[in-house]
Amino acid sequence: EAGVTQFPSHSVIEKGQTVTLRCDPISGHDNLYWYRRVMGKEIKFLLHFVKESKQDESGMPNNRFLAERTGGTYSTLKVQPAELEDSGVYFCASSQLDLRTDTQYFGPGTRLTVL
Amino acid sequence: AQKVTQAQTEISVVEKEDVTLDCVYETRDTTYYLFWYKQPPSGELVFLIRRNSFDEQNEISGRYSWNFQKSTSSFNFTITASQVVDSAVYFCALSGKARQLTFGSGTQLTVLP
Repeated sequence: EAGVTQFPSHSVIEKGQTVTLRCDPISGHDNLYWYRRVMGKEIKFLLHFVKESKQDESGMPNNRFLAERTGGTYSTLKVQPAELEDSGVYFCASSQLDLRTDTQYFGPGTRLTVL
Repeated sequence: AQKVTQAQTEISVVEKEDVTLDCVYETRDTTYYLFWYKQPPSGELVFLIRRNSFDEQNEISGRYSWNFQKSTSSFNFTITASQVVDSAVYFCALSGKARQLTFGSGTQLTVLP
């Protein structure tokens, strides 16, 4: 069974540009999460989808970040316009809906560098 | 608010030594879940274990073992007879009523040959 995949693995952009990150969860996983780790800091929660609905977006830093999950399958995270402090590694995770088996499996991450 | 503390930033051991990684957590939820993830140099987060708050039984998986103690809010991780391939950053994490994970800052483990 395929794991969580993320694209691209690396992205280098200039301040003010737009970048879109993509996450494909494990098939059948209704929960999808985005996290990020800014250099030297902890891994922080950004938001949580249940199927196509945003369950919790309390971790989104500001309105330059827009996440979507069309059809409850893959998800995209757009940063527009990117700022220097957005640099870091963005992780996606997915899990089953049942709380008893709600273990989050992570993708390899996208390393974003804003110059 | 939830909090996970991994006080050990870096640990260095020689191969075949045992090593324990500490994790202390804070939560007001009565039901919660504790996790350990491994991040090897390649960067991905690899799931190691999940424990429910109502199950304090310790667990052993090969050279790995976990000691969950509710009385001290700790969920420590021991690697027995460490190997070079164990070198990685290890994260302890917590989830509760809110499903998202709260991570500790991670412990960089280096196993020297």
